[in-house]
Amino acid sequence: DTGVSQNPRHKITKRGQNVTFRCDPISEHNRLYWYRQTLGQGPEFLTYFQNEAQLEKSRLLSDRFSAERPKGSFSTLEIQRTEQGDSAMYLCASSLWGWGETEKLFFGSGTQLSVL
Amino acid sequence: QKEVEQNSGPLSVPEGAIASLNCTYSDRGSQSFFWYRQYSGKSPELIMFIYSNGDKEDGRFTAQLNKASQYVSLLIRDSQPSDSATYLCAALEDYGGSQGNLIFGKGTKLSVKP
Repeated sequence: DTGVSQNPRHKITKRGQNVTFRCDPISEHNRLYWYRQTLGQGPEFLTYFQNEAQLEKSRLLSDRFSAERPKGSFSTLEIQRTEQGDSAMYLCASSLWGWGETEKLFFGSGTQLSVL
Repeated sequence: QKEVEQNSGPLSVPEGAIASLNCTYSDRGSQSFFWYRQYSGKSPELIMFIYSNGDKEDGRFTAQLNKASQYVSLLIRDSQPSDSATYLCAALEDYGGSQGNLIFGKGTKLSVKP
């Protein structure tokens, strides 16, 4: 078990470009979460999946943001037409839901996005 | 708007002292609470969680929960310089009985001076 893996670690893009981030959760975990964190703030919830079902997506910041988890394993977060205000750390977390103490989220190292 | 409030600090304590970190939450439906430690430039790491009123101890860490006052705290005994980090308080959001994501506070920056 290597933990939650996120790629890339850093992404620099120009305003208006599309970007996609990938998250590989801990293998036996069935829930996967996406958060955004800006400097001096706590993580801000964006969306989450249980297996392949997206259970909450109303917190995605705009319709430029979308996420998928097609086979209930890895997930991707896409931001279309990036803006400078999208610059932040994007964190993925996973948890094992439904067995005992299961609300514990384990975070990946994050993807730092810089929009120029 | 469901919120978790924390004093952003910085909180400075001498090595060996007790560090006391506090947070309040607005969602009375929240039942589970978490403390994460985040070193600069790193991702959050879970250090404690608590579901029931009262105290929960794990090594040098004690989490305290008072649901009536909507108050959560974390005590760190025998503070070490390696404890210097930002501590994030989080509440598990309640969706009318079903449980979902964590709502995080802004974090309290702790500095332990040798």
